[in-house]
Amino acid sequence: GQNIDQPTEMTATEGAIVQINCTYQTSGFNGLFWYQQHAGEAPTFLSYNVLDGLEEKGRFSSFLSRSKGYSYLLLKELQMKDSASYLCAVRDDGGYQKVTFGIGTKLQVIP
Amino acid sequence: DTAVSQTPKYLVTQMGNDKSIKCEQNLGHDTMYWYKQDSKKFLKIMFSYNNKELIINETVPNRFSPKSPDKAHLNLHINSLELGDSAVYFCASSPEGKLGGNTIYFGEGSWLTVV
Repeated sequence: GQNIDQPTEMTATEGAIVQINCTYQTSGFNGLFWYQQHAGEAPTFLSYNVLDGLEEKGRFSSFLSRSKGYSYLLLKELQMKDSASYLCAVRDDGGYQKVTFGIGTKLQVIP
Repeated sequence: DTAVSQTPKYLVTQMGNDKSIKCEQNLGHDTMYWYKQDSKKFLKIMFSYNNKELIINETVPNRFSPKSPDKAHLNLHINSLELGDSAVYFCASSPEGKLGGNTIYFGEGSWLTVV
């Protein structure tokens, strides 16, 4: 099975940088996703990592270390609209490649 | 041109009733899912279908029965609703194959409240 850990809440200041960590223990691994979910809305895709290293996409970057079972999502130049939950999700390497989500980190951006 | 659409968006019903939630995707994806997000915001997979075939069936009470008439539709029927069934139910879909990482695209959610 999958066990995914991430902080439940974080607070950061507008314009700053914030790093949201995710650790996982899995019986098989075939990729890690980050999703953003605003209150009352559906999760939307942010990033996908399957190889070690950093993937950059505008203000958002995601890092993966498979040997450490660790990922982080880095948000730069924070804006008020970045206040949302950030969900870490892991895909296993089974035949159906099930994706399991973590509890999510609720980020509050303050002025 | 909604990608994954589900209806109804809001549903308030009494304990013991039977209700259905419908889902359709126009992305041409082969795989569809039902996820449940409870009051603690934990998003848990319930079912997954690939080309109308059930491939993932998590530990879900058998009061929940999914049906996929074709690969673009996945409906969820719930019998004898209980208070604990109150949650947001998200339909989702993803393409076949490893290219793009099988990104999951979610519908807007169906808010179910059982009273």
